[in-house]
Amino acid sequence: DIQMTQSPPSLSASVGDTVTITCQASEEARKYVSWYRHRPGKAPELLIYEASKSQKGAPSRFRGGGYATEFSFTISGVLPEDSGTYYCQQYDSLPLTFGLGTRLEIK
Amino acid sequence: QVLLQQSGPGLVKPSQTLSLSCSVTGASVNSRDHRWGWVRLPPGKGPEWIGDMYSSGTTYRNGALRSRVSLSVDTSLNRFSLRMKFMTAADTAVYFCVRAVEQTEESYFDAWGQGVLVNVSS
Repeated sequence: DIQMTQSPPSLSASVGDTVTITCQASEEARKYVSWYRHRPGKAPELLIYEASKSQKGAPSRFRGGGYATEFSFTISGVLPEDSGTYYCQQYDSLPLTFGLGTRLEIK
Repeated sequence: QVLLQQSGPGLVKPSQTLSLSCSVTGASVNSRDHRWGWVRLPPGKGPEWIGDMYSSGTTYRNGALRSRVSLSVDTSLNRFSLRMKFMTAADTAVYFCVRAVEQTEESYFDAWGQGVLVNVSS
């Protein structure tokens, strides 16, 4: 199984800040990584797929990058509604696996 | 817009079987481009993929749960279901139904249900 090590586990940011989350895959996942936002009480949302492609309707402040084992997710200009937990997921091979999540708090 | 509406019990007794359903609006479960499946989120842990399937019957399941999990798709009702046998406290989690988009052979999830907290307790 490919393990996804996500960091940091939590972070705190002010409105307008730029924040970056990383995921390290235990084996090469090529470009097959996606990123999700999960706001409390809501359904999770797909933001990024294929490491860097933006899901239709996702705000442009969300960007993804990386290849093989190192992946990153950046929010440029954090807004209050970005509070929640963010997860990476690999879909290069079964079983599909996720990171443990990064909880983002807006000050 | 694809909407996934989940239904099922919030409390299951140990050793019993969990049954959850997910009704789909805004898309057809007959789509050849999508699989229909389940992800769960245990308290304090990361999400865990349970499995997904095409309406044709081709099914993919997490090996760790394979022997306990059954998936089905009902094309007449445009919905899909999960059954998980022999539930224990370790299965306590929020269960999400998902639509999976296949890329190469595996998939990511572009639509999620609202989630159902399933508590396994006597």
